[in-house]
Amino acid sequence: DSGVTQTPKHLITATGQRVTLRCSPRSGDLSVYWYQQSLDQGLQFLIQYYNGEERAKGNILERFSAQQFPDLHSELNLSSLELGDSALYFCASSVTGANHEQYFGPGTRLTVT
Amino acid sequence: GESVGLHLPTLSVQEGDNSIINCAYSNSASDYFIWYKQESGKGPQFIIDIRSNMDKRQGQRVTVLLNKTVKHLSLQIAATQPGDSAVYFCAELNYGQNFVFGPGTRLSVLP
Repeated sequence: DSGVTQTPKHLITATGQRVTLRCSPRSGDLSVYWYQQSLDQGLQFLIQYYNGEERAKGNILERFSAQQFPDLHSELNLSSLELGDSALYFCASSVTGANHEQYFGPGTRLTVT
Repeated sequence: GESVGLHLPTLSVQEGDNSIINCAYSNSASDYFIWYKQESGKGPQFIIDIRSNMDKRQGQRVTVLLNKTVKHLSLQIAATQPGDSAVYFCAELNYGQNFVFGPGTRLSVLP
């Protein structure tokens, strides 16, 4: 158990809908990272937050947004969902924004039908 | 558990042998590299990292080698055990602070 929690574990929704994925980092970790893992594209970095502020941005679509709250938990919002958004979404945390030893959560499996 | 990358390259090794997993990275400006292990149904797990000013780093039963000349990274696992069976990813961190992951290699440990 990495200490990072993600909810929900599974999510099934229809195209065009909007969902919110939630992540709680390890106690004491200030930075949160979001990743998407699909069979055809592998593991892709989406976005990083550090202490509430966006730190780095990867291959995140405009339909997706994220934020980190004062209690350091983070949410990833996915809107106007498409079939191709079906994937595993992982959250990871690290102590600081410059500390790259990241601890991953168990992931949320999103299925868009 | 979930299957990650059904068509990944696979390395099969005998239990007790050493494993070497290779990775070619893309950006010569990348200055930090990580190896992750992902077991079926779980999130990636940090194994070891290395900065570009080093060419070798050792951990417990693992060694990472970095060859910047040919942009190559390798992970060596000593005395491979059944619990080492997983998909292994390398990741590079480039100047723009974006993590780029390799496609992964599936390690299968034979009894």
